[in-house]
Formats: sequence, structure tokens, C-alpha cells
Amino acid sequence: EPEVTQTPSHQVTQMGQEVILRCVPISNHLYFYWYRQILGQKVEFLVSFYNNEISEKSEIFDDQFSVERPDGSNFTLKIRSTKLEDSAMYFCASNNQNEQFFGPGTRLTVL
Amino acid sequence: SQQGEEDPQALSIQEGENATMNCSYKTSINNLQWYRQNSGRGLVHLILIRSNEREKHSGRLRVTLDTSKKSSSLLITASRAADTASYFCATDAGNTPLVFGKGTRLSVIA
Repeated sequence: EPEVTQTPSHQVTQMGQEVILRCVPISNHLYFYWYRQILGQKVEFLVSFYNNEISEKSEIFDDQFSVERPDGSNFTLKIRSTKLEDSAMYFCASNNQNEQFFGPGTRLTVL
Repeated sequence: SQQGEEDPQALSIQEGENATMNCSYKTSINNLQWYRQNSGRGLVHLILIRSNEREKHSGRLRVTLDTSKKSSSLLITASRAADTASYFCATDAGNTPLVFGKGTRLSVIA
């Protein structure tokens, strides 16, 4: 059964460093999303991507964040200069119509 | 914006009992989905119910949707210790970002 994959599963970084989180959506899906979940809180939407451009973004997704689909399979989230409050689980999701399929997440820890 | 909010926040039951979790939202939706999350892990999709559906079953799961009340319920019958997890509802308006509630933390005691 096709699934969304994410790498790495856990990333530890120093405050101010850049991180790139990677996702491989399900191959025939057209819509891609990044969400994050701070420990103990609810899942929050960051950004959606369709037709090689951002279709929607939340207030959280400020200038420190960017997304890219560098090739036909990968979908990346970059945080330019990480802050302590960026520590969270980051989930990638993809869909075509209704059900969104989520990856297993990347746990980002900013020290 | 649409917003799923679950209640109760936490639920503790004995193995074999049924668990009912509720979700409310604010605006019109296309779909409502329920997800499960084990502690610190990923989101597992359980069931999707469309706005024109009233009830859906999947194994031991039963989901209802009342669009007039903007609410949904998830029933897990004959619960097992392995059902212990957090359960989230999430709504969308059709290829839009999902809006998640805060979740219900279910503990099933063996």
C-alpha cells in the first residue's frame, strides 16, 4: 500500500541553524501539506502546495519557512534560522481528493 | 475558520467497554475525518465521513455526523488496551488544509 515517507525521523539542531525536512508524498497525489504539532498540543496547518506553488499558508508559516518540490518525488520544508519554539513534530501529508495521508513525522528538537 | 474540538479531553475505560468521543466544528465542511495518534508517533487515518453521510462503520468503529449540529461522534466498541491513544477529528472544505481539534486522550485499562 502506498504511503507518505519522511526523513529524518528525528533531527536535533542548534538555535539559528537551518534545517531541511524531507517528504516523499504518494506518487499520484497532487496536493501536499506540512503540519506541525508542538508537544502536547494539537496539529496545526503550516502550508499547502499544489501545481508547483503554495496554495495556502497559515500565520505560522512566516519568512523563516519555505517549501520546495525540487524533483518529481520530494517535497521539502526548510526552516532558515531555527528558534527554540520551532521544536515540534512536523508532518507531511498528501491527497488527491478527500482523505489526507500523513507521513510518520519528523521530530525536530532545537537546542 | 472551521475548527474541530473534541470532548472529553480525556477518557478512561475498562477493556471491553465502549468509548465515545465527540467533535464539534464551526463552519460548513466537505469531510470530517478521525485520526488516531499513539504517544509521540504519527497520525493514523481511521475513517472519513462526507458531509452528505450520516453514519459510517469500519470494524469496531462507528462514526456519526450531524451537520445541523455541526458535530460528530466516534464510537469504539469492545475496546482493547491497544486502543489507548489520542483521537483527533479534522475537518476540511474539499482539498483544503485540515483543521484539527485538540484531541481526546483515551486510556483503556486491561
